Amino acid sequence: QSALTQPASVSGSPGQSITISCTGTSSDVGNYNLVSWYQQHPGKAPKVMIYEGSQRPSGVSNRFSGSKSGNTASLTISGLQAEDEADYYCCSYAGGSTWVFGGGTKLTVL
Amino acid sequence: EVQLVQSGAEVKKPGESLKISCKGFGYSFSSYWIAWVRQMPGKGLEWMGIIYPGDSDIRYSPSFQGQVTISADMSISTAYLQWSSLKASDTAMYYCARHIGGVAAPRGWFDPWGQGTLVTVSS
Repeated sequence: QSALTQPASVSGSPGQSITISCTGTSSDVGNYNLVSWYQQHPGKAPKVMIYEGSQRPSGVSNRFSGSKSGNTASLTISGLQAEDEADYYCCSYAGGSTWVFGGGTKLTVL
Repeated sequence: EVQLVQSGAEVKKPGESLKISCKGFGYSFSSYWIAWVRQMPGKGLEWMGIIYPGDSDIRYSPSFQGQVTISADMSISTAYLQWSSLKASDTAMYYCARHIGGVAAPRGWFDPWGQGTLVTVSS
């Protein structure tokens, strides 16, 4: 199992939209609609923002949305706010009750 | 409130053994899988393995199979991660997280996460 591929960093200004990609293979991202996204602020535990590709847990802002095309999943954050600055990780089910994470993307709000 | 509370930070020497814990509150601990995730200093998240406390069914990542042991005691709502002989490369933050999305065939997501246990291995 290789880690999913994410850009190391993305940035945007307040109010703008950004998209973080997460590329896997036909054995993980492409084979299941089971990608989740996690937000991690410095020194804190991860928090789920999106599950099953595009579902938002209760309490997560509707500025966060997820999608998938082929072997690539994406997280879009609209109306960027300062509090969105964090690391973001994608995670895909990979079969056989195993999971694989992406390498993480650092979001900077300019 | 559903929460996972992990044991405190540890400082160990290479070759020593260690067992860290993750205690669940606010839900039926035996009915949800619990995963362990490693985060090495300044690095990303790595999925290590998952256990169903109800019957101790365990699945390991190939990368961690044989390197760690995952266990659970549902009578005290606690999952464990242990090492028999630590290495400096085991220095990391370790998180436990509750799996959501199926029992017989887990394939969902993780929520909530514990606060993390920092393990430092140094001579």
